[in-house]
Amino acid sequence: KAGVTQTPRYLIKTRGQQVTLSCSPISGHRSVSWYQQTPGQGLQFLFEYFSETQRNKGNFPGRFSGRQFSNSRSEMNVSTLELGDSALYLCASSRTLTGADTQYFGPGTRLTVL
Amino acid sequence: AQRVTQPEKLLSVFKGAPVELKCNYSYSGSPELFWYVQYSRQRLQLLLRHISRESIKGFTADLNKGETSFHLKKPFAQEEDSAMYYCALRGSGAGSYQLTFGKGTKLSVIP
Repeated sequence: KAGVTQTPRYLIKTRGQQVTLSCSPISGHRSVSWYQQTPGQGLQFLFEYFSETQRNKGNFPGRFSGRQFSNSRSEMNVSTLELGDSALYLCASSRTLTGADTQYFGPGTRLTVL
Repeated sequence: AQRVTQPEKLLSVFKGAPVELKCNYSYSGSPELFWYVQYSRQRLQLLLRHISRESIKGFTADLNKGETSFHLKKPFAQEEDSAMYYCALRGSGAGSYQLTFGKGTKLSVIP
């Protein structure tokens, strides 16, 4: 079956703009998590959605937000972009919310803020 | 708070030599530990998880709760093992199911 897909794959924005990234989970998966990957901080958890509800949130400012739709697709939004937001944003899906389930990762969206 | 430490940023070994990638964690409850791997130009993928106690691609990892470690081992390294390896922890309570990753170790297998 098809893996996790993310669009767009690459994005260039300027400071102050906002951006929306999209993630389509594996069919049948209801949980979607978002991570930010940077050379300095590594992989950091942003938030997790399950059944259209945010279930968990990492330590990021309120400029980072997300949502999940009834078909489990998820979007994350970053407003008032800063240079430090340049990163690879990864989304991962799993069947359920429990710790027992494997998370499958997408290829990521590379965001560059100029 | 949950934390994962991978002390080595880069590990170089010769083909056929044993490999050990170190991972130490901090978590007050009973965590689930994972190793993820990212090959060049590929997406992050699960290599193995402690709960299944299996060997994948010749790699094994044993959870040592006393030493809070989950080191990844392989007796004979292959060139195709060259990749970034991430150790990750997942909590056991509601609200802690997110993966907490270490900063990763780049394994380079020298032919």
